[in-house]
Amino acid sequence: DGGITQSPKYLFRKEGQNVTLSCEQNLNHDAMYWYRQDPGQGLRLIYYSQIVNDFQKGDIAEGYSVSREKKESFPLTVTSAQKNPTAFYLCASSRLAVYNEQFFGPGTRLTVL
Amino acid sequence: QKEVEQDPGPLSVPEGAIVSLNCTYSNSAFQYFMWYRQYSRKGPELLMYTYSSGNKEDGRFTAQVDKSSKYISLFIRDSQPSDSATYLCAMSAGDTGNQFYFGTGTSLTVIP
Repeated sequence: DGGITQSPKYLFRKEGQNVTLSCEQNLNHDAMYWYRQDPGQGLRLIYYSQIVNDFQKGDIAEGYSVSREKKESFPLTVTSAQKNPTAFYLCASSRLAVYNEQFFGPGTRLTVL
Repeated sequence: QKEVEQDPGPLSVPEGAIVSLNCTYSNSAFQYFMWYRQYSRKGPELLMYTYSSGNKEDGRFTAQVDKSSKYISLFIRDSQPSDSATYLCAMSAGDTGNQFYFGTGTSLTVIP
């Protein structure tokens, strides 16, 4: 089955620690995205990538970093510089030039203790 | 003013009812309109995708766009308990991935 996988499903982190969230897709999509979802707010774009080895900041990139070394993979690192990292993180992908049809992974719930 | 406004609900209806979910927006440049369904603790699932104004039907779901009023709707006919979820509207002006704007979502419960 084609789809997007995210791991882990739940993640706990102590303050001051960096943590990396995994996102893998086998849909052969060129574009990949990271969103953050908080209660009472719409999804907010953190980073997106249209091609391997290239990515752009979204609306709330501060305190986050990404890499895109392979087409299938787009890991997100939440650094200690992110002031309020507790949230639900969603990875998505789409075909190039069909950005409006984004397919989402199951999400990772990050809690900072 | 937010780009996209969506009533968070919660909305509770009996099984078989017609459900109307709505979003308003402020940016007249928006041309692409999407509806996603999100079950609790899951990722959103694309339900409907429309371009510009008009209606689009898919089974029990109908998406309606009124660009003159900057208003979009999702209608669910013969609602089922399995439709209980949060429904997110999303819209964009163009064809790049960084111009996506999501509503906050409306929580729907269909009571058997």
